[in-house]
Amino acid sequence: DTGVSQDPRHKITKRGQNVTFRCDPISEHNRLYWYRQTLGQGPEFLTYFQNEAQLEKSRLLSDRFSAERPKGSFSTLEIQRTEQGDSAMYLCASSLVGSIDQPQHFGDGTRLSIL
Amino acid sequence: GDSVTQMEGPVTLSEEAFLTINCTYTATGYPSLFWYVQYPGEGLQLLLKATKADDKGSNKGFEATYRKETTSFHLEKGSVQVSDSAVYFCALKAGGGNKLTFGTGTQLKVEL
Repeated sequence: DTGVSQDPRHKITKRGQNVTFRCDPISEHNRLYWYRQTLGQGPEFLTYFQNEAQLEKSRLLSDRFSAERPKGSFSTLEIQRTEQGDSAMYLCASSLVGSIDQPQHFGDGTRLSIL
Repeated sequence: GDSVTQMEGPVTLSEEAFLTINCTYTATGYPSLFWYVQYPGEGLQLLLKATKADDKGSNKGFEATYRKETTSFHLEKGSVQVSDSAVYFCALKAGGGNKLTFGTGTQLKVEL
């Protein structure tokens, strides 16, 4: 059973550039979540999908952020015109629908550093 | 809104010592409660969970009991090992909701 896979593991970019991250969930999982974790803090919810539908977005997700899950499998998170404050670990998680008790399984994250 | 408060770290213990990491929560309805662990350079791993009052979650020698009357979910282990050194996160999922709300994490360091 492969876990949640995220790519890249690390991304360094200059302020103002666009970046895109990819998440591949556990294959049978139909829910996919994005979280952001800054140093010394717990993860904060950004958005989640059920299949290809984006069902909830946090106020943290400004209009520079966009997430997609076009075929209900992998997802991408794009940040346009990056800012210093976007530096963080971006975590993806997946889970099964069927019971409210289904745990979320996390990937190792993509660490974004803005120069 | 929903929130989770954890004791601040780092917590430094000697091997075989008893561990308690306090966690209290505020939530509407009846949340499910979780402990996740994050080892250096890795993602979060689910350690244990409890879904209703008085449930006890347990895994790898760790335990936590869902206490509705005190809105708490404290993590305990009777005898810690060096390999338990990590950051521990308490989290809740509100009843009917989907997102996890995390505490700020507690770093545990276990020394020989």
